[in-house]
Amino acid sequence: EVQLVESGGGLVQPGGSLRLSCAASGFTFSRFALNWVRQAPGKGLEWVSTISHHGDTTHYAESVKGRFTISRDNSKNTLYLDMNSLRAEDTALYYCAKSDYEFLFYRALDFWGQGSLVTVST
Amino acid sequence: EIVLTQSPGTLSLSPGERATLSCRASQSVSSTYLAWYQQKPGQAPRLLIYAASNRATGIPDRFSGSGSGTDFTLTISRLEPEDFAVYYCQQYGTSPFPFGPGTKVEIK
Repeated sequence: EVQLVESGGGLVQPGGSLRLSCAASGFTFSRFALNWVRQAPGKGLEWVSTISHHGDTTHYAESVKGRFTISRDNSKNTLYLDMNSLRAEDTALYYCAKSDYEFLFYRALDFWGQGSLVTVST
Repeated sequence: EIVLTQSPGTLSLSPGERATLSCRASQSVSSTYLAWYQQKPGQAPRLLIYAASNRATGIPDRFSGSGSGTDFTLTISRLEPEDFAVYYCQQYGTSPFPFGPGTKVEIK
């Protein structure tokens, strides 16, 4: 059974930093691109970032480019999102999601974690 | 950057009725790269349709997707009580990979 478990969220002040982790199991982690998607309270889904299965290709939404960094450790089956210079508008539930076909970058998202809440506030 | 719009914003229907949801892109999207997701309150999204018309694993055949170019449609042939939720489209062929704003299907 595929499982994605996010952690690392919490309350942080504007300008602060946070690292989210997503521990994966139930599939061959190193074969699939992975993604972060966020959802502000009461709002819709916003794609944040995607990383290829090898970790050598990354894409970001304009809203986070230069502030967030996606990475992965295939030996630990873990995906990361390093978030710097956090703003109030980054407050959201952050989901980790797996791409649906191995080795390909441009894919739909077939399994999602339950999310990790990040709150940016004084 | 491709922008997706969805209509209507809210669809009020009764169980057993047919639901037709629209997703329109600001530029042409290859049908290979258009997905639909369902999200219920307090739950993570669930993949329904990928490549515009292919049902994901375990998705009932009352859900169907169609379309090409800039216009895509999700159809729910007969609404079941568990289908009342918010539905999002997403294009994943050209970065960034935006979602549409969503259509809420509510019980009339």
